[in-house]
Amino acid sequence: DTAVSQTPKYLVTQMGNDKSIKCEQNLGHDTMYWYKQDSKKFLKIMFSYNNKELIINETVPNRFSPKSPDKAHLNLHINSLELGDSAVYFCASSQTRGVPDTQYFGPGTRLTVL
Amino acid sequence: DAKTTQPPSMDCAEGRAANLPCNHSTISGNEYVYWYRQIHSQGPQYIIHGLKNNETNEMASLIITEDRKSSTLILPHATLRDTAVYYCIVRTEYGNKLVFGAGTILRVKS
Repeated sequence: DTAVSQTPKYLVTQMGNDKSIKCEQNLGHDTMYWYKQDSKKFLKIMFSYNNKELIINETVPNRFSPKSPDKAHLNLHINSLELGDSAVYFCASSQTRGVPDTQYFGPGTRLTVL
Repeated sequence: DAKTTQPPSMDCAEGRAANLPCNHSTISGNEYVYWYRQIHSQGPQYIIHGLKNNETNEMASLIITEDRKSSTLILPHATLRDTAVYYCIVRTEYGNKLVFGAGTILRVKS
């Protein structure tokens, strides 16, 4: 079973469209994250949710809206897509209580905005 | 979180030990050293972490200097599948974001 899964794996869309990326973890973790890896390969945190509560929001445009319907899911919705949004988006999860906080990453979603 | 410095790239012969250095001279007393790696087109993968003692697991060993200002990740018998970008990250233990630098590109060659 895949620990952290993301859908879709590839997403190609036009500028101005709205799209969503889904993430699910079956590890029983209480915290989930979204990271963005741009063309220069730098990985940067975007958001973090703990028990469905937003705890990290790194100066990300408000066109990006994470939603966590439950502890096992963290979806990322992006409005009015721009060329600069093209990147690989990684979801991750961790357990932040009582054990070392190791983050487990999903396989990534490659978003291409044309 | 303290900043880390790593060499941009390293080569290693298959079957030999790969020793990846990391400097973190501004590390605080409550900050851990974490290592992750990213194999091409995959999500980052946790390798190992430590506070001040040397650590070993099934993947690697982590050697932290006594003053904690630097550390070395050791892959004892590197294989071609170990070719990846290796990230050294310093952070407190719980609930914080991972701040990735440029990492070290390790190329294992046959």
